Amino acid sequence: QSVLTQPPSVSGAPGQRVTISCTGSSSNIGAGYDVHWYQQLPGTAPKLLIYGNSNRPSGVPDRFSGSKSGTSASLAITGLQAEDEADYYCQSYDSSLNWVFGGGTKLTVL
Amino acid sequence: EVQLVETGGGLIQPGGSLRLSCAASGFTVSSNYMSWVRQAPGKGLEWVSVIYSGGSTYYADSVKGRFTISRDNSKNTLYLQMNSLRAEDTAVYYCARSNYGDYENDLTFDYWGQGTLVTVSS
Repeated sequence: QSVLTQPPSVSGAPGQRVTISCTGSSSNIGAGYDVHWYQQLPGTAPKLLIYGNSNRPSGVPDRFSGSKSGTSASLAITGLQAEDEADYYCQSYDSSLNWVFGGGTKLTVL
Repeated sequence: EVQLVETGGGLIQPGGSLRLSCAASGFTVSSNYMSWVRQAPGKGLEWVSVIYSGGSTYYADSVKGRFTISRDNSKNTLYLQMNSLRAEDTAVYYCARSNYGDYENDLTFDYWGQGTLVTVSS
């Protein structure tokens, strides 16, 4: 069981909007630590998608956005494309466990 | 261009030792925080260890006392010495450059290598 809880899977049709939640607790997200998001395409290394809750690294399309509130965070993807099909992970710091990841969410583009 | 290339993975028997290397280019390892993150087959990501630019090191409880992170500044290379290996250590091991905003604890992993597979089995 991961300290950060994500839904195992989400899906959407091309062009739609999907969101992926990341639920933590008072020892991680709720303590004010930043949440970061990674995209892992099949057979490849993870790639930083969102850092510091809502910031996009250079080159990441503005279709991807992040937000954080209380003990949870969310990743939103608008204008869904086939190439977005991947696993997505949230990550934060936990005061007991150091750096932690969510269990991952598999996005399927229908 | 930032590049990270891991080597050293392979098949090892339980109880054995292995040293992973991560050769960096495009930036200076010693001036950055560097981490190891692993991914068991078909599973999610697990942070393993970090070395700060100042030399402080931290480990996940699952590897504490068995793994050692280090770096060779002259070779711009990060290492992970893994001892007393167990079946549950089987995973792809990624090295990642680590960065933070206002606070050290808010580490993010901004560049990743391609990973090296470690299989612990008899």
